[in-house]
Amino acid sequence: GDSVTQMEGPVTLSEEAFLTINCTYTATGYPSLFWYVQYPGEGLQLLLKATKADDKGSNKGFEATYRKETTSFHLEKGSVQVSDSAVYFCALSYSSASKIIFGSGTRLSIRP
Amino acid sequence: DTGVSQDPRHKITKRGQNVTFRCDPISEHNRLYWYRQTLGQGPEFLTYFQNEAQLEKSRLLSDRFSAERPKGSFSTLEIQRTEQGDSAMYLCASSSTMADYGYTFGSGTRLTVV
Repeated sequence: GDSVTQMEGPVTLSEEAFLTINCTYTATGYPSLFWYVQYPGEGLQLLLKATKADDKGSNKGFEATYRKETTSFHLEKGSVQVSDSAVYFCALSYSSASKIIFGSGTRLSIRP
Repeated sequence: DTGVSQDPRHKITKRGQNVTFRCDPISEHNRLYWYRQTLGQGPEFLTYFQNEAQLEKSRLLSDRFSAERPKGSFSTLEIQRTEQGDSAMYLCASSSTMADYGYTFGSGTRLTVV
């Protein structure tokens, strides 16, 4: 079945460091890929998405590229801030009406 | 519109009791989803409504679980004869037919079964 695997956390970085959170997927078809973020005490929020191979999703300085050949969708940011501290979830879905399959999440903590 | 509202935020119940959670979606959203999130895991799909019709149910949704969405507005998720393994965060999300992957999640209801 379809699944998403992402690197285990927690990940702790200093402010302004470069961030990579790895995500790979297993899919029977051609899903859209997502990164969601969960800030403390808040609901899940869509951070970025990519709907087909080689698409790059970007938002708030975060980027991820849909790599079909490596079945990956790694999240990157060039310079993290304390406010980026949150739990990040990689996910896939086949349509806007269907369920989302989430990875287990990666907790990110940024030191000032 | 204040987004997706879930009530209560926290619920502690004794094993064997029944509990009911409520979700109020964004008013113009016709789709509503329930997910369950256990500690250290990502959310897992439970069920999905389009308007008042329940279109998909996960195998995770045992016969002790039932969800309704009367009149296609708010939804309730009931768990009967709760077990300790039901302890989790229950998340609701809504979206519109017209939106492409525009899910909005609520903050969740945290259930603790003691």
